[in-house]
This record gives sequence, structure tokens and C-alpha cells, in this order.
Amino acid sequence: DADVTQTPRNRITKTGKRIMLECSQTKGHDRMYWYRQDPGLGLRLIYYSFDVKDINKGEISDGYSVSRQAQAKFSLSLESAIPNQTALYFCATSQGTGGDQPQHFGDGTRLSIL
Amino acid sequence: DQQVKQNSPSLSVQEGRISILNCDYTNSMFDYFLWYKKYPAEGPTFLISISSIKDKNEDGRFTVFLNKSAKHLSLHIVPSQPGDSAVYFCAASTIGSNYKLTFGKGTLLTVNP
Repeated sequence: DADVTQTPRNRITKTGKRIMLECSQTKGHDRMYWYRQDPGLGLRLIYYSFDVKDINKGEISDGYSVSRQAQAKFSLSLESAIPNQTALYFCATSQGTGGDQPQHFGDGTRLSIL
Repeated sequence: DQQVKQNSPSLSVQEGRISILNCDYTNSMFDYFLWYKKYPAEGPTFLISISSIKDKNEDGRFTVFLNKSAKHLSLHIVPSQPGDSAVYFCAASTIGSNYKLTFGKGTLLTVNP
């Protein structure tokens, strides 16, 4: 079983709809992250959480919200989806506070907004 | 302003030869640098990292070199194998940002048999 699981893997929806992407992990890590990747661009951080009570905005948080329901679960919501939010979304986890602690990624959710 | 730059969108090499992927950065406060590999339809996977106090780190076929004065790092893969064909992302972090990662745009490596 995957250590970091994202659901759904693919989603097509319409402009204005509310969408939730879910992430769960079995690694026991405290830190969780949401990124988006657009063609030709690197990964950009949307939100991150260092523990259940700690939620922080990343560089592109506008139009998104998150919920850390438990240590193992971190969900990303698009309250009213718009076409330029079409992208590949990744959840990641990490442990510890050292810079050499790598992040572990899920396999992504491909989201298309029509 | 892009703090981590991978100026080569793609690189093609022959199997058995060396692959060199380059990365430049602008923030002198970065403490750690990491390389990730990404196959299609999968998430990025961690490959190798290097601390800013070192100039080289090696793990099997993969070696990362850091030149702080030039703000440049490179990933060497020797020998290259067809299974190394993937997108490689350079990333950097600093304690001042709680070690959040800043990613480059990636370089698509193709290793031809």
C-alpha cells in the first residue's frame, strides 16, 4: 500500500463547483503539504501544516482552503473552482525539523475544471 | 522572482554515459538542496540531498556537487541507464522558512539505449 494516498486520482468538474481533494498517510509524519504543478513549471506550495493545530499559507493559497482532520489526514478544498485551477495536485509529508528530511509525495490528483 | 532555476528543460544522453543536470539559485540563505525524480503518473521521489556546508555528496551512481560561490549545483548520474529517464527537480530550503521547499521547473532526462 502507498504511504501517501491521494483521492481521487483524476477529477473533471465544472466552473463554480466545490471540490475536495483528500490525502492520507501511514508514515506517521507530522508535517503535510499541498502543492500544485502546472505544465513547464515546478511544484508550488499551496498550504502546509506542521501538526493538527498548525495550518499555514504557502505561496499560492488564494482560492484554496485546507483542513487537517487528524495527523494522518490533510484535505484541500477549492470553494468555487475556476479553469485556471486546472493542474496536477500533490500531497506530501515529512518528519522532523531538519532541512535534510525529505518530503514524501503521493501520486497526485489530476484536476480539470471546465 | 524564481529562486531556483533549472535552465535546461530537457537533456538527452546515451546509455552508459554521464548525465549532468544543473541547477542555479539566487538565495544565499539556502541551507539544503535536494534532488527529486518524477516518472509520469507518479509523485516525485527523493533522490539525494546536500547540506550547504558540503561540496559533494555521493550515493551509488548519483553524485551532487555544490558550488556556493557560484550558487550552482549539479547532479551527476554515472553510468546513465534507460530507467533514469524522468523529470528531475532541484529543490532548496532554508531554516528561515522552516525548511519549506522551493522547486525549480524541472529537467526532462531521456537516456537512450
